Amino acid sequence: GAGVSQTPSNKVTEKGKYVELRCDPISGHTALYWYRQSLGQGPEFLIYFQGTGAADDSGLPNDRFFAVRPEGSVSTLKIQRTERGDSAVYLCASSLIRQREKGELFFGEGSRLTVL
Amino acid sequence: AQRVTQPEKLLSVFKGAPVELKCNYSYSGSPELFWYVQYSRQRLQLLLRHISRESIKGFTADLNKGETSFHLKKPFAQEEDSAMYYCALKSRETSGSRLTFGEGTQLTVNP
Repeated sequence: GAGVSQTPSNKVTEKGKYVELRCDPISGHTALYWYRQSLGQGPEFLIYFQGTGAADDSGLPNDRFFAVRPEGSVSTLKIQRTERGDSAVYLCASSLIRQREKGELFFGEGSRLTVL
Repeated sequence: AQRVTQPEKLLSVFKGAPVELKCNYSYSGSPELFWYVQYSRQRLQLLLRHISRESIKGFTADLNKGETSFHLKKPFAQEEDSAMYYCALKSRETSGSRLTFGEGTQLTVNP
């Protein structure tokens, strides 16, 4: 595709429900990132994948959050027992290794999650 | 810990006026600094990086290690520069490309 694709673009759920957010990176990009952006804030790092493995998951706020990338391409961010504080825009980004080292990430449009 | 501060949430200037978006950082190691921009209804994208010492769309930014700043400047603002600007920091000591973003500055360039 032309860019990083994220689905759904909007998700409204109830407190306590389970949510999955999907990211389809640019073809050939081995590095994939998830960020969370709360209202009025900058993006906040959650997790970074290099290939299939999570190279850095230190940004995940707690064990309700989990992400996978089983085939090294599409990634899914999973949130269990959602809380109102999880409401945010979840951004996915991808890059090639050389772009990664230069700090150039290609972002998707984000998935806006609202927990009622 | 690393931190990026953008003291102005909103900045408004007139077309043709100079503009400076402030960015300060705190980091004990050797940082790399970036500016990302998000135009209305578009994705967040890289504008420039300090290592390249480049000018993009007339914008420049100089890393001042003494003042721990990386302010973004443009001598003559244009209406199309109106956007949300984020300063970001990356550690040179760690692999990957974990970026720490500031809270952003919404720039409005008035006609």
